[in-house]
Amino acid sequence: QVQVVQSGPEVKKPGASVKVACEAVGYNLGSFGITWVRQPPGQGLEWMGWISAYDGNAHYSQRLQGRITMTTDTGTNTAYLEVRSLGSDDTAVYYCARSVYVNRLLLPDYWGQGTLVTVSS
Amino acid sequence: SYELTQPPSVSVSPGQTARITCSGDALPKEFAYWYQQKPGQAPMLVMYKDTERPSGIPERFSGSSSGTTVTLTISGVQAEDEGDYYCQTADSSGAYVFGTGTKVTVL
Repeated sequence: QVQVVQSGPEVKKPGASVKVACEAVGYNLGSFGITWVRQPPGQGLEWMGWISAYDGNAHYSQRLQGRITMTTDTGTNTAYLEVRSLGSDDTAVYYCARSVYVNRLLLPDYWGQGTLVTVSS
Repeated sequence: SYELTQPPSVSVSPGQTARITCSGDALPKEFAYWYQQKPGQAPMLVMYKDTERPSGIPERFSGSSSGTTVTLTISGVQAEDEGDYYCQTADSSGAYVFGTGTKVTVL
């Protein structure tokens, strides 16, 4: 049974970094991509980027490029999102999703449960 | 980056038709996707490539495109269709953007 399981909630101070994990259960991470999306409390969705676990190529939101890094570890079947220089506006639920990229279409199908990252002094 | 504009809310009675629009300059050149999100849950893809339904999405969901506007139509709305809906598209660099979101209320 395919599942995407994310790491637990985090509380960080401004200026710190956070690394959120996204474990692929029941399928081979290396055959798919991972999309990352976040949602501040009470607000809309923000697309952060996606990474191909097959070749490690990542595509980032222009707004966040330079401050985030997406990686995958096919040995542990886990993807990671690191966000640096955290500010209060990074407080959000972070979601990852297994994604298929075919014919220029990026299609997320199985989603993680979300990870709440709170940035507070 | 560019913007995708949606109406903040749409209200519809059960059994009626809900239409959610999404406007943006990139839409004539790039395919649109639609996501449904219910409170406390992750988003779920309900439409891609403007008009294609993923497996498992009911036939009452349909999509259309005309110029700079795409539309998600829910025919014969049911109570379970209540939630937030977001359109999405890609830019020329391969990055994606979500629309502002529309809250669908079933009266």
